[in-house]
Amino acid sequence: GENVEQHPSTLSVQEGDSAVIKCTYSDSASNYFPWYKQELGKRPQLIIDIRSNVGEKKDQRIAVTLNKTAKHFSLHITETQPEDSAVYFCAASIQGAGSYQLTFGKGTKLSVIP
Amino acid sequence: DTGVSQDPRHKITKRGQNVTFRCDPISEHNRLYWYRQTLGQGPEFLTYFQNEAQLEKSRLLSDRFSAERPKGSFSTLEIQRTEQGDSAMYLCASRWGETQYFGPGTRLLVL
Repeated sequence: GENVEQHPSTLSVQEGDSAVIKCTYSDSASNYFPWYKQELGKRPQLIIDIRSNVGEKKDQRIAVTLNKTAKHFSLHITETQPEDSAVYFCAASIQGAGSYQLTFGKGTKLSVIP
Repeated sequence: DTGVSQDPRHKITKRGQNVTFRCDPISEHNRLYWYRQTLGQGPEFLTYFQNEAQLEKSRLLSDRFSAERPKGSFSTLEIQRTEQGDSAMYLCASRWGETQYFGPGTRLLVL
């Protein structure tokens, strides 16, 4: 089955700096890669996603890049703000067949220091 | 709130007891998932429903676990003879297109 590795497990940045979180996946059939943000005690919320036919996607301060050949994808947050502090999860899924279940990484705890 | 809802939000039980959790998906979503999340880990897939049919189950779903979605709307997850290792957050999600929308979860503590 699919295996998703996520690094780093914790990340501290100064407010205004950029943050980068990296994930690798094992199943070359995976074609959909969402990122979820989970604040303490709250539900995971989708912040951005990317399909395998796209190399990069941007939404305001958040961007995701995908390298299919290397089977890795990354989340980039620019101009970080204290409200960006949360746990971020990457995930991979095979869309188009089966359950479309998500396989998650173990998460990155991002702390933005004011 | 038109999002996915789950009940109860917290459950404390003694080892050996049975517990049941409920999930109400977003109304027009016919695909529903259960995941389990332990401390410091990402959610792990348990099972998947399309309408009332349970189409996929993870090997994590032991014989003590059963899930239903009798009318293709809300779903229940029952754990029989709970064990301390069952302590976790149980998350429900419903899907529209590619996107899965998560509920707030039920946090289970087995003493």
